[in-house]
Amino acid sequence: AQSVTQPDARVTVSEGASLQLRCKYSYFGTPYLFWYVQYPRQGLQLLLKYYPGDPVVQGVNGFEAEFSKSNSSFHLRKASVHWSDWAVYFCAVRIASSSFSKLVFGQGTSLSVVP
Amino acid sequence: EAAVTQSPRNKVAVTGGKVTLSCNQTNNHNNMYWYRQDTGHGLRLIHYSYGAGSTEKGDIPDGYKASRPSQENFSLILELATPSQTSVYFCASGDLDISYEQYFGPGTRLTVL
Repeated sequence: AQSVTQPDARVTVSEGASLQLRCKYSYFGTPYLFWYVQYPRQGLQLLLKYYPGDPVVQGVNGFEAEFSKSNSSFHLRKASVHWSDWAVYFCAVRIASSSFSKLVFGQGTSLSVVP
Repeated sequence: EAAVTQSPRNKVAVTGGKVTLSCNQTNNHNNMYWYRQDTGHGLRLIHYSYGAGSTEKGDIPDGYKASRPSQENFSLILELATPSQTSVYFCASGDLDISYEQYFGPGTRLTVL
């Protein structure tokens, strides 16, 4: 089945430390991949998106992600986490058909930032 | 900046009652979507629409109807609400085939007692 798995439900990091949030996808074809962030009591906002090309994509607020076809992964990284990064992060894959495209989301990873 | 708004932001309903969740977008997108968000499941697609007058079933449509009376408005309707429909509902608009983007509303928190 075409799906996205985020194996870590919760991640806690210290402010200033580096961050990696994991995402594994299953998709028959060329994947278009996304990372969204959800701040408390808000909707989802796009952090970055990947479509075929450079495997490392840059996003907003210092986030980047690396696509790996061999590992079926699209991990999100940040060099130095800020307290304002406290949020829930969702990875998603576009499922394309002849008639319509939709997003399938992972379960989300809740990021906590401690002093 | 793309804009998607939802109303109400919070709703408490009784079992068996009718609930209508409304969504408005000013992006002039043809495609609109309704999702529900539950812990451990991420977002799941309930219904979507290609444009005014069209509604299509998503991955979990049972117990829900949708209505798209205009380009801007897309409603989700629970004819007979049940406690299992307690969730946070998100509306989105966008184009995943050209700009590869979806814009989300702020969500509606629905509690069915």
